[in-house]
Amino acid sequence: GAVVSQHPSRVICKSGTSVKIECRSLDFQATTMFWYRQFPKQSLMLMATSNEGSKATYEQGVEKDKFLINHASLTLSTLTVTSAHPEDSSFYICSALEGGYYGYTFGSGTRLTVV
Amino acid sequence: GDSVTQMEGPVTLSEEAFLTINCTYTATGYPSLFWYVQYPGEGLQLLLKATKADDKGSNKGFEATYRKETTSFHLEKGSVQVSDSAVYFCALNDGNNRLAFGKGNQVVVIP
Repeated sequence: GAVVSQHPSRVICKSGTSVKIECRSLDFQATTMFWYRQFPKQSLMLMATSNEGSKATYEQGVEKDKFLINHASLTLSTLTVTSAHPEDSSFYICSALEGGYYGYTFGSGTRLTVV
Repeated sequence: GDSVTQMEGPVTLSEEAFLTINCTYTATGYPSLFWYVQYPGEGLQLLLKATKADDKGSNKGFEATYRKETTSFHLEKGSVQVSDSAVYFCALNDGNNRLAFGKGNQVVVIP
């Protein structure tokens, strides 16, 4: 079946630095990828929709300059948290849409801790 | 916009008990409906799905039927195991290829 690899699974960074999270579709091409943020014991909040070769579409309230998304190929999307602060600490999850209308596959998530 | 509502609060039950998690939706069209499961520290795994009214999705003993008349997609399992302990999310496709999630329900199965 479809597999999405997300890396790293955990990262700790200092306040003010930037962190890049990768999301790869391993055995299929994903024209669309999604980035979510999840707070403890809460649901997933869609941050942005990433389309290969074009600019990401951000949800209302999500800072584009803080959460940089790049979808340079059909198998890779990256989320860069720039100038991270402790309030950016969260669980980030990516998802890739495989072709059809309902073929969503999720990565295993990245736990970001900003100290 | 399209949205999903899940019953409030965690669900705690004994092994071999019957599990029901309620899910209702609001949508302008006819969305596809999903149940996802999340184990601690992990991403989401698709549990089952249904794409049109009266469809029944099933997997690993879990079932859910797409009920257009009641706009519901309740998740059921006849006999839960400790390994079913996880968080369960109901979701729909909003027609723009985006998933809208419910708040999720923590299920704890006690031996």
